Amino acid sequence: EVQLVESGGGLVQPGGSLRLSCAASGFTFSSYWMSWARQAPGKGLEWVANIHPDGSEKYHVDSLKGRFTISRDNAKNSLYLQMNSLRAEDTAMYYCTRDGDHWGQGTLVTVSS
Amino acid sequence: DVVMTQSPLSLPVTLGQPASISCRSSQSLVYSDGNTYLNWFQQRPGQSPRRLIYKVSNRDSGVPDRFTGSASGTDFTLKISRVEAEDVGVYYCMQSTHWPRTFGQGTKLEIK
Repeated sequence: EVQLVESGGGLVQPGGSLRLSCAASGFTFSSYWMSWARQAPGKGLEWVANIHPDGSEKYHVDSLKGRFTISRDNAKNSLYLQMNSLRAEDTAMYYCTRDGDHWGQGTLVTVSS
Repeated sequence: DVVMTQSPLSLPVTLGQPASISCRSSQSLVYSDGNTYLNWFQQRPGQSPRRLIYKVSNRDSGVPDRFTGSASGTDFTLKISRVEAEDVGVYYCMQSTHWPRTFGQGTKLEIK
């Protein structure tokens, strides 16, 4: 059974940083594109970033480029999202997804002073 | 970016009756490999999104056959043949042909 478990969310001040993690199991992690998506409270879904199975290609939404970076460690079956210079508008549930076909339960990031 | 426009945004439906959600893309979603990467997701209250349909009309594993997807050019439709109580939630279309992937605004299905 495919499982994706996010962690690392929490309350952070504006301008701060967080690193989200996603532990994957139940499939050959190194064979799949992986992604992050987010959902602000009461709002719709927004795709954040994608990463190639071997990490050689990465795509980030333009509006987040330079602040958010996706990465992975295939030896640890883990996906990451480094988030810097956080703003109030980054407050959202962040989901790890196997390129859309399986989703984790999400980790909540709240940016507030 | 490709804009995905859904309608209606709110959909009250009587149990056992059919429902239909439309999604229009601002440009063609046909990829260079000939496939059209249009997906439909269901998000039940308090839950993560779940993919129902991929490549326009292919149901994911475990998805009831009352859900069907279709297309006509840049117009896409998700149909539920007979709505059940467990279908309550928000439905999103999403294109994965172009980067960045983009979602529709969501359609909230409720029981009348």
